[in-house]
Amino acid sequence: DAGITQSPRYKITETGRQVTLMCHQTWSHSYMFWYRQDLGHGLRLIYYSAAADITDKGEVPDGYVVSRSKTENFPLTLESATRSQTSVYFCASRAPGGGQETQYFGPGTRLLVL
Amino acid sequence: EDQVTQSPEALRLQEGESSSLNCSYTVSGLRGLFWYRQDPGKGPEFLFTLYSAGEEKEKERLKATLTKKESFLHITAPKPEDSATYLCAVQANSSASKIIFGSGTRLSIRP
Repeated sequence: DAGITQSPRYKITETGRQVTLMCHQTWSHSYMFWYRQDLGHGLRLIYYSAAADITDKGEVPDGYVVSRSKTENFPLTLESATRSQTSVYFCASRAPGGGQETQYFGPGTRLLVL
Repeated sequence: EDQVTQSPEALRLQEGESSSLNCSYTVSGLRGLFWYRQDPGKGPEFLFTLYSAGEEKEKERLKATLTKKESFLHITAPKPEDSATYLCAVQANSSASKIIFGSGTRLSIRP
């Protein structure tokens, strides 16, 4: 199916564990983004990627690692999860040269760190 | 520092009762202001882009307007299916990719 998918949709982990959230898109969009959404803060950009093997920090990158070896995948890794990383994580992709009307969000991953 | 503030945090309306949502922003040169709709358990869905003061966009019962300091999302004769969280975001001229989101307004329409 065409679109943008995230997995898992729900995840419970413990403090100190490594967690990887997956994001896959089928449009071959060059731009991909990771956001977190918390009550009172709206969506905040964690990392983004303009193309395969090109990544850059967003507003709140500390404690997160990303990679982009293939255009269609953009995994987000929490190297050592902390309770403050409990959040809903959204992946998004956008066509090159496209405006925000071409940016599509995934369904989100709800992460709970105990 | 670029900033977006949305008000009210929550709004409950009766079906058919028109109202407006506010988005106040400060940005060093506005490239674009965006409105999104977000349903529970889903990602945001794009609604409008506004580029310059005085611009207006419409879609069904929604109309977005823009001034130099704020944007309004007017909802006319809303229906229960318009219930959602509405997010505002801005992009600065200096940023090719980053946009700043507000915390949203939760809109609830009672039948």
